[in-house]
Amino acid sequence: ETGVTQTPRHLVMGMTNKKSLKCEQHLGHNAMYWYKQSAKKPLELMFVYNFKEQTENNSVPSRFSPECPNSSHLFLHLHTLQPEDSALYLCASSPHAAVGADTQYFGPGTRLTVL
Amino acid sequence: AQTVTQSQPEMSVQEAETVTLSCTYDTSESDYYLFWYKQPPSRQMILVIRQEAYKQQNATENRFSVNFQKAAKSFSLKISDSQLGDAAMYFCAYMALGAGGTSYGKLTFGQGTILTVHP
Repeated sequence: ETGVTQTPRHLVMGMTNKKSLKCEQHLGHNAMYWYKQSAKKPLELMFVYNFKEQTENNSVPSRFSPECPNSSHLFLHLHTLQPEDSALYLCASSPHAAVGADTQYFGPGTRLTVL
Repeated sequence: AQTVTQSQPEMSVQEAETVTLSCTYDTSESDYYLFWYKQPPSRQMILVIRQEAYKQQNATENRFSVNFQKAAKSFSLKISDSQLGDAAMYFCAYMALGAGGTSYGKLTFGQGTILTVHP
């Protein structure tokens, strides 16, 4: 595997379910990100992790819970979601998330549908 | 707050022709970077080109070039000799550098422009 991978690629869940999205980067980067891409809206940054520490939470509802056990893996735990949370969730990584403006490398995304 | 605006929801171009995608941004910061990302259908988003605000020279990457007008806060992307593989959603994005050159990786994206390339 190369680059940034995400699993699953598609997920359908009910509002009472609990599920998790997984992201893995094989680039040796130290920063990882979650973005939400909704139809007809710009990509929204959700969370930033730098060296496993969360450095940004963009006012995301608590029903989204990120986890970064190491610099290569990032999870997004989902529970009691709403239909309006249906979107493409993108993971990205970059060498660092603080100094400078490193290029971010994106995964293919998880298409989430909440029924 | 910084905002990025792409006023063209859709654009089309004939193969081998040139097309320009528009982007404007609003910021009070003096030090920042601008990016164009490409998202092909069902494929990963990739960086097309980036521009440092302190550089007056416009960035170029093969068939892709930008027209960076700092005073006007404009950052357009020109695609020359368009190819079928250029068909994608194109996003303009902005990242500010704060004190000490810190960015915290915070990219702000525009709404995107869907580019269709006709054979």
